[in-house]
Amino acid sequence: GQNIDQPTEMTATEGAIVQINCTYQTSGFNGLFWYQQHAGEAPTFLSYNVLDGLEEKGRFSSFLSRSKGYSYLLLKELQMKDSASYLCAVRDERAAGNKLTFGGGTRVLVKP
Amino acid sequence: GAVVSQHPSRVICKSGTSVKIECRSLDFQATTMFWYRQFPKQSLMLMATSNEGSKATYEQGVEKDKFLINHASLTLSTLTVTSAHPEDSSFYICSSKRRGRFGTDTQYFGPGTRLTVL
Repeated sequence: GQNIDQPTEMTATEGAIVQINCTYQTSGFNGLFWYQQHAGEAPTFLSYNVLDGLEEKGRFSSFLSRSKGYSYLLLKELQMKDSASYLCAVRDERAAGNKLTFGGGTRVLVKP
Repeated sequence: GAVVSQHPSRVICKSGTSVKIECRSLDFQATTMFWYRQFPKQSLMLMATSNEGSKATYEQGVEKDKFLINHASLTLSTLTVTSAHPEDSSFYICSSKRRGRFGTDTQYFGPGTRLTVL
């Protein structure tokens, strides 16, 4: 099975930086995804890591350490519209269809 | 990015009726689609993996006779909630798996269907 842990909630100020951590345990790791989900909407793809290191995409960056079973999503220059849930998901190569298993999500609240 | 649609976006039905939800990948072919359910303030729970031309693979605890999945073409999968009850009220989300460069796969999600069973 897989265990994926991420904090439940985080609060940050507009313009600041927030780091959302995700730890996982899986037997057949084959990639880690971060998704953003606004209330009442479906998740949207943010980033994908399969090798160790940092992937940067504009204000969002994602880091992976496979040996530590650890990833983080870094949100810089926070904007009010970044208030959402952020979902960490791990792909298991041994699972049918290469399915994803999602963490519980981290609700980020950006305050003025 | 890839576009996945779902229909309907919202449905309200009486207890005991059946509801069909369609999921379409609009700009790519998807041999594999996934169906998730999400209760308020909870994460996505995978219900089943839908494979084009073959039977769906259901997760443990999901009744295959209650949640019928049909993946008739490379762009369409349907989920039918049979004999719906109030506890089936939830947000149902599909995703389509798209193969990218270097063999990587990414799931793209539909906008979701909010089902309310009275």
